Amino acid sequence: SQQGEEDPQALSIQEGENATMNCSYKTSINNLQWYRQNSGRGLVHLILIRSNEREKHSGRLRVTLDTSKKSSSLLITASRAADTASYFCATVPVGSGAGSYQLTFGKGTKLSVIP
Amino acid sequence: NAGVTQTPKFQVLKTGQSMTLQCAQDMNHNSMYWYRQDPGMGLRLIYYSASEGTTDKGEVPNGYNVSRLNKREFSLRLESAAPSQTSVYFCASSGKEFAVINQPQHFGDGTRLSIL
Repeated sequence: SQQGEEDPQALSIQEGENATMNCSYKTSINNLQWYRQNSGRGLVHLILIRSNEREKHSGRLRVTLDTSKKSSSLLITASRAADTASYFCATVPVGSGAGSYQLTFGKGTKLSVIP
Repeated sequence: NAGVTQTPKFQVLKTGQSMTLQCAQDMNHNSMYWYRQDPGMGLRLIYYSASEGTTDKGEVPNGYNVSRLNKREFSLRLESAAPSQTSVYFCASSGKEFAVINQPQHFGDGTRLSIL
C-alpha cells in the first residue's frame, strides 16, 4: 500500500525559480527520505530527515517535516535544467524490523525545469 | 565506484518462461531489496534480505523467488513469467552498520522486463 503521496503530480517551472513538492503519509514514521529519479535511471538518495527533526538542508535542497500533520515538503531553490526528474518521498514506518528498513514510496512528482 | 549493478538491463520474455535477475553491490551493505516500478506508481517492495542468509516477503511477492547468494549478491527469479510482471525492476542495498535504521538505500539502474 502507498504510504506517501506527493503533490503535485507534475510541476513545470522556469530555470532559476524555486520548486516545492509536498508529501503526505498515513502512519507514524522513523524517518522520511527524498529520492530523485532521472529518466531511465535508478533512484538517488537526496536527504533523510528523522522523526525528531523539523528541517534539514543540503545544498539547494531544504526539507521540512511536520509529524503532527504527517507531511513533508521538499524545496529546491534556484532550479536548473539538470533538476528535471521525478522526485519521490519514502517513509520508514515505526515498527520496521531490526536490520531491515522497508521503505514505502509515494507515486512521485515529475518536475520539469525549462531553460 | 560501481555501487549496485543489475543485469541484464533489458529483457523480453514469453509468457511461461523463467528468468533470473542478478544484482550485486560492492558497498559492503548488509541489507538488499528488490522493487518493481510500474507506470504512474511508486516503487513497491517485492522481497528483501536483512542480512546474508535471510529473506522476507515485501508487499508484492507473488510470482517471485529470491536468493541471497552471499553478502554481495541478491537475485530475483520469475519461475513462470506472466504479462502482469512486465515492469522495471530495481535492486537496492543499505546498511553498513547492522540494525541502524536511519540509512539511505542505494539503487541500481534497473532491469526493464517485458513479458509477451
